[in-house]
Amino acid sequence: QQQVKQSPQSLIVQKGGISIINCAYENTAFDYFPWYQQFPGKGPALLIAIRPDVSEKKEGRFTISFNKSAKQFSLHIMDSQPGDSATYFCAASRFYGGSQGNLIFGKGTKLSVKP
Amino acid sequence: DTEVTQTPKHLVMGMTNKKSLKCEQHMGHRAMYWYKQKAKKPPELMFVYSYEKLSINESVPSRFSPECPNSSLLNLHLHALQPEDSALYLCASSPWGQGNEQFFGPGTRLTVL
Repeated sequence: QQQVKQSPQSLIVQKGGISIINCAYENTAFDYFPWYQQFPGKGPALLIAIRPDVSEKKEGRFTISFNKSAKQFSLHIMDSQPGDSATYFCAASRFYGGSQGNLIFGKGTKLSVKP
Repeated sequence: DTEVTQTPKHLVMGMTNKKSLKCEQHMGHRAMYWYKQKAKKPPELMFVYSYEKLSINESVPSRFSPECPNSSLLNLHLHALQPEDSALYLCASSPWGQGNEQFFGPGTRLTVL
């Protein structure tokens, strides 16, 4: 019940295209869904996050779509750029969960944006 | 100051050495974390300090010893490590105690010979 399943494992997109990464969770107690972007040799950077009171959140070219009934959420990167090439991790947790609030990570998606 | 800093950036040590990793944040965050990340894998939680008290120890071997001297500083003491402990060690912090938003540092790349 603690798993977060992320797909695809790798993704190749042309410059200017839309990148879509999907995640599914099982634990209905999760109420915080962040996405992290990680470049090789660097720490993960918090990119965007959503709480279940909204179905979509947009920040610049990055959008999270959230489907509570399906227990799924996805990251859309519009107008993908070569600089977006990185590994993306979705995660889920209980926002005020205290000792139950640890991030459960998906396995990651390696995105390559071709010029 | 809006970031988590980690030192050193790289560390090479022998199996008999003792070394320490350091993490600092000056954002007033009340929880700090140590993660281990192997290549092509997500970060794996090791320890959590919440309000300067050790909250979680995810069955980490005793050759890893965490320390939280104050609310801004987190150390990870290393002793008698194995080659399989080679990894990127990440520190993170979150504002209101354990859970909620976590902000990661750049990591320390550890190589055990």
